[in-house]
Amino acid sequence: AQKITQTQPGMFVQEKEAVTLDCTYDTSDPSYGLFWYKQPSSGEMIFLIYQGSYDQQNATEGRYSLNFQKARKSANLVISASQLGDSAMYFCAMRTGGGGSNYKLTFGKGTLLTVNP
Amino acid sequence: DAGVTQSPTHLIKTRGQQVTLRCSPISGHKSVSWYQQVLGQGPQFIFQYYEKEERGRGNFPDRFSARQFPNYSSELNVNALLLGDSALYLCASSLFDFNSPLHFGNGTRLTVT
Repeated sequence: AQKITQTQPGMFVQEKEAVTLDCTYDTSDPSYGLFWYKQPSSGEMIFLIYQGSYDQQNATEGRYSLNFQKARKSANLVISASQLGDSAMYFCAMRTGGGGSNYKLTFGKGTLLTVNP
Repeated sequence: DAGVTQSPTHLIKTRGQQVTLRCSPISGHKSVSWYQQVLGQGPQFIFQYYEKEERGRGNFPDRFSARQFPNYSSELNVNALLLGDSALYLCASSLFDFNSPLHFGNGTRLTVT
């Protein structure tokens, strides 16, 4: 069975500082993908960044980077230069299965990030 | 281009009633998925459809059903509503590619009283 663990229910960060949100995963499938989503209080889920299990380099998207440590089964999200608009719930999610038409994401419980001015 | 659209945005039903939620995917996306998100939790997978066929089903009772239409839009039906069905129901669409992310709609918030 696939499992995502996010151990930080809440995190606080000062504006303009960097913050790391933790995510560990468990799967026996050698082929998987890891996603991070942001969910503001309005409810929509916004895709941030993706890392494939065979990717050699850590993914980056603007101020977001993914610290992928395959041996430790961790995929931490790093947000640089935090902004007030970054305050939201953040979810780590995993897709397994080497392709095909089955597309199911397993989500963690999320981390609520609060950016202080 | 328009994103994933869901309707209605909010819904209030009483126990035992039936509800239908609707979703239109991003143009060009043939895969549609449904997720349930209860307060304080991450989304839970309900169904995935691709090319009008069910390709995956989560651990939900048979009261939950869905279908996908020729234009790739989708409906989620829930019969015999229970108080525990109160949640945010999210629809997502994607390309037929393992590396492609799911793109979510704004959700339908269902309240069962």
